[in-house]
Amino acid sequence: KQEVTQIPAALSVPEGENLVLNCSFTDSAIYNLQWFRQDPGKGLTSLLLIQSSQREQTSGRLNASLDKSSGRSTLYIAASQPGDSATYLCAVRLLLKTGANSKLTFGKGITLSVRP
Amino acid sequence: DTGVSQDPRHKITKRGQNVTFRCDPISEHNRLYWYRQTLGQGPEFLTYFQNEAQLEKSRLLSDRFSAERPKGSFSTLEIQRTEQGDSAMYLCASSSGGLATEQYFGPGTRLTVT
Repeated sequence: KQEVTQIPAALSVPEGENLVLNCSFTDSAIYNLQWFRQDPGKGLTSLLLIQSSQREQTSGRLNASLDKSSGRSTLYIAASQPGDSATYLCAVRLLLKTGANSKLTFGKGITLSVRP
Repeated sequence: DTGVSQDPRHKITKRGQNVTFRCDPISEHNRLYWYRQTLGQGPEFLTYFQNEAQLEKSRLLSDRFSAERPKGSFSTLEIQRTEQGDSAMYLCASSSGGLATEQYFGPGTRLTVT
């Protein structure tokens, strides 16, 4: 059974700091990995999608990397801002013998607070 | 493209009542997913539709839960005889093309069972 872990559960940093959020997964046979942002009481906003054949993806101040063999992904946020405060979740899609699995398996998320 | 919409956004019901939620996916997205999220947890997969066909159901989806997607457009999730343990955020997502494409989530329906 695929398990996705995100540690620590919460993180507080001063504005302007560069930071890295970690995600680990137990089954390296993944099809892709997706990072999401969730504001309190709201739905999920997709940030980046990395296919298993890719090493990293970039969007603005965000950079996500994937090391499938070690079961790890990181989300790098450059020059953090108070508006980045939210919960960040990673989710993996398993690769089955029949192809990609339909469901995403999520971690519990990391709640980020960026202090002005 | 107005994104995935869900209705209602909040629902408070008494234990034992039936509730129904609606999800409207992004136009022309052929795949639709339902997830459930409890406080402090990541979303958990419930079920998945490709067009109007329900192709996968999680063990979390007990007999009290039923989902439909008539005509392959909007979807409904019904919970019968609600229990306090059903209190959660119910999230809907949609995607186009193959299984490996990006899933786009709606704002969710927050269910509170009293």
